[in-house]
Order: sequence, then structure tokens, then C-alpha cells
Amino acid sequence: AQSVTQPDIHITVSEGASLELRCNYSYGATPYLFWYVQSPGQGLQLLLKYFSGDTLVQGIKGFEAEFKRSQSSFNLRKPSVHWSDAAEYFCAVGGGSYIPTFGRGTSLIVHP
Amino acid sequence: EAGVTQFPSHSVIEKGQTVTLRCDPISGHDNLYWYRRVMGKEIKFLLHFVKESKQDESGMPNNRFLAERTGGTYSTLKVQPAELEDSGVYFCASSQGLGFRGEKLFFGSGTQLSVL
Repeated sequence: AQSVTQPDIHITVSEGASLELRCNYSYGATPYLFWYVQSPGQGLQLLLKYFSGDTLVQGIKGFEAEFKRSQSSFNLRKPSVHWSDAAEYFCAVGGGSYIPTFGRGTSLIVHP
Repeated sequence: EAGVTQFPSHSVIEKGQTVTLRCDPISGHDNLYWYRRVMGKEIKFLLHFVKESKQDESGMPNNRFLAERTGGTYSTLKVQPAELEDSGVYFCASSQGLGFRGEKLFFGSGTQLSVL
């Protein structure tokens, strides 16, 4: 079975600072990995995904994520956070015949 | 293009009552998923439709939950009778192909269900 761990429930950063949200997964083969974002009152929106090729993936809104097989990680990064990035971020893993499995989310708070 | 819409956005009911949630997927999307998030926890899979057929309902918690997808268009999720532990946010998502092949899911904004 596949699973996702997002160890940080809340992350607080200042506007303009860099950001890294952690995600660890468990899956027996090469996974499909996703990051979704949910802004208040909105549905989840796909930021980026990985399933093969370059392990550094670029997404929308200036986000990127790096797949590290040796660490079973897929951390999300952004070099400079904007106030509009305040939202909840979900990592998900899928693969084979499995439905994507989501983590519990990390809430990002941005201070001015 | 209209996105995935869910109705109602909020529902407050008493224990023992019945509630029906509705999801309208993006037109042309054969795949429809229901997920649930209990406060502060992970988003958990409930079931998956391909057109009008239930492809996977392994995540449905018990027989108080009934999902239908009439004619392969909109879907309803009925909880009868509702219990306190059913409270949470119910998300619907749709996709054109198969989500597990790396295609992205389009999510609705969810229905916040509170059972008192």
C-alpha cells in the first residue's frame, strides 16, 4: 500500500523568504507524485507532478519540487514567498492501479 | 469552461438525519472521485466512478453511505442516517483519463458537513 507523510502541520514564513514543504512517501516502485494547493474557499489545484525524467520539476506560481528516491521524498520549494501563497498544501502519491493517496496537508502562513 | 461544482457548500444536520451531497464534474470527464477530509487529517479516498459504474468503492466507510452517478453525469453521495463521525469536508474530483496514470484531478471546493 502507498502512503504519504507531511510532517509539518503548519509552516510560518515572512513574505519574501524562501519556503520548503516536506513530503515523504511510501511506495514499492517508481511513484507518481503530486503537489496540490487549496486556497480558502477553493478546490484543490494541481501545482506540479512527477512521474519520470528530470527529478527537479517546475510547477505553476513559481513552485518547484525535487524527487529524491534515496530519501523517498518530494519536497516543495519556492525561493520567495508572496502573501497570496498562504494556503494549504497537499502532497499525493499514485502509481500502478492505485488511486492517488493524499497526505494530511501543511498550512502555510505568510507574515508581511 | 465550468469547473467541478459541489452543492451545498455547507450542511449542518442532526445525528440520525439524512443528507445528500451533489457533484457536477467537468463536462466530458468520465472519471469521478469522492474524497473526505476529517478535520486536520489526510484527504481520504471514498470511491471512484468511471461513467456510471463504480470502479472502486473500497474507501466507503460503511453501508450508511450510498453513492450514485446517474447516466454518467452528476453524482450524489447520500449519508443515511448521519453519525457524528461523518462530519468533515467532502471533496469531489473529476478527470478525463485515469488519475493514477498521472493525469491531474480537478477538484470542487467541497461540502463542509457538520453532524450535531
